[in-house]
Amino acid sequence: DADVTQTPRNRITKTGKRIMLECSQTKGHDRMYWYRQDPGLGLRLIYYSFDVKDINKGEISDGYSVSRQAQAKFSLSLESAIPNQTALYFCATSDGPVNQPQHFGDGTRLSIL
Amino acid sequence: EDQVTQSPEALRLQEGESSSLNCSYTVSGLRGLFWYRQDPGKGPEFLFTLYSAGEEKEKERLKATLTKKESFLHITAPKPEDSATYLCAVQRGTSGTYKYIFGTGTRLKVLA
Repeated sequence: DADVTQTPRNRITKTGKRIMLECSQTKGHDRMYWYRQDPGLGLRLIYYSFDVKDINKGEISDGYSVSRQAQAKFSLSLESAIPNQTALYFCATSDGPVNQPQHFGDGTRLSIL
Repeated sequence: EDQVTQSPEALRLQEGESSSLNCSYTVSGLRGLFWYRQDPGKGPEFLFTLYSAGEEKEKERLKATLTKKESFLHITAPKPEDSATYLCAVQRGTSGTYKYIFGTGTRLKVLA
């Protein structure tokens, strides 16, 4: 089984709909992250959480919200989806604050019509 | 401004034709440089961490090196299964404000 699991893997929805992307991990890491990946722009950080009570905005948080339900679960919501939020979304985890790599799920491909 | 630049954007090699991918960075307070491999439809897979200039890491046909301004991922005698996008990321910052910055990747295609 994957260490970082994202659901759903693919989603097509309409403008204005509320969408939730879910991430769960079995790595035991405290730190979790949400990124989006767009062609030519690389991975950009949306939100990150260092523990259940700590949530922080990344560089592109507008239009998104998150919830850290448990150490192992971190969900991303789009309250009212718009077409320019069409992208590949990745959840990642890391162990400790410094010098540690991130471990990624396989992503959710989200299309907003 | 913190920046990570990867070159080339795309690279086509014949099987067995060695080459290098470049990751140049301008960040303050470098804490680590990471290489990842990303296959289509998958998330980035961690390959290496480099912490200080002069450090080298190897794994099979891949070797990563680090200087004060750039890192190279050397691919020796590549095989078609090495085809993927290779991402470079740096972690920078001071206590409590660590941040990862990703490059846009090099798409590698190895032809049989």
